[in-house]
Amino acid sequence: GAVVSQHPSWVICKSGTSVKIECRSLDFQATTMFWYRQFPKQSLMLMATSNEGSKATYEQGVEKDKFLINHASLTLSTLTVTSAHPEDSSFYICSARERRNTDTQYFGPGTRLTVL
Amino acid sequence: TQLLEQSPQFLSIQEGENLTVYCNSSSVFSSLQWYRQEPGEGPVLLVTVVTGGEVKKLKRLTFQFGDARKDSSLHITAAQPGDTGLYLCAGEYTGFQKLVFGTGTRLLVSP
Repeated sequence: GAVVSQHPSWVICKSGTSVKIECRSLDFQATTMFWYRQFPKQSLMLMATSNEGSKATYEQGVEKDKFLINHASLTLSTLTVTSAHPEDSSFYICSARERRNTDTQYFGPGTRLTVL
Repeated sequence: TQLLEQSPQFLSIQEGENLTVYCNSSSVFSSLQWYRQEPGEGPVLLVTVVTGGEVKKLKRLTFQFGDARKDSSLHITAAQPGDTGLYLCAGEYTGFQKLVFGTGTRLLVSP
């Protein structure tokens, strides 16, 4: 089956630093990738939709200058949390739609970000 | 803002019991998906329903999509401890690729 990986699986950083999270589709090409954020005991909230070769589309209330998304290839999207603060601590999950089958999103295992 | 409300939010039952989780919205979806998520992991797709009134069965799990494609239910028969997890419904609007997730139902099945 289609596999999506995320790196790192967890990261701890100091307040004010930037953190980059990678999302890769391992065995398929993904024209569209999605980034979600999940706070403890809550559901997934879509942050942005990323299309290969174009600018990401951000959901209302998500700061595009703070959460930089780059979808440089059909297998890689990155999310950079700039000037991270403790309130950015969360579980970040990406998903990818396969180019040939756009009906299914495949989810990554998530990245736990803790900002001290 | 969550557009999909799930109920109950939390359910704690004994092994062997039956349960139903509901997913309701005022919006019409082109498809609706159910996921299960374990702590520290990404959600895993259980099923996708696309036709109003559709019923799908996956072993002890039965999924139903409402006739108007605004709501859905998940019924688990003879729950097992391995069913423990966070159950999420997610709807997709016609013409849009993104999913809107429900508020989630946390299920705990005790032996």
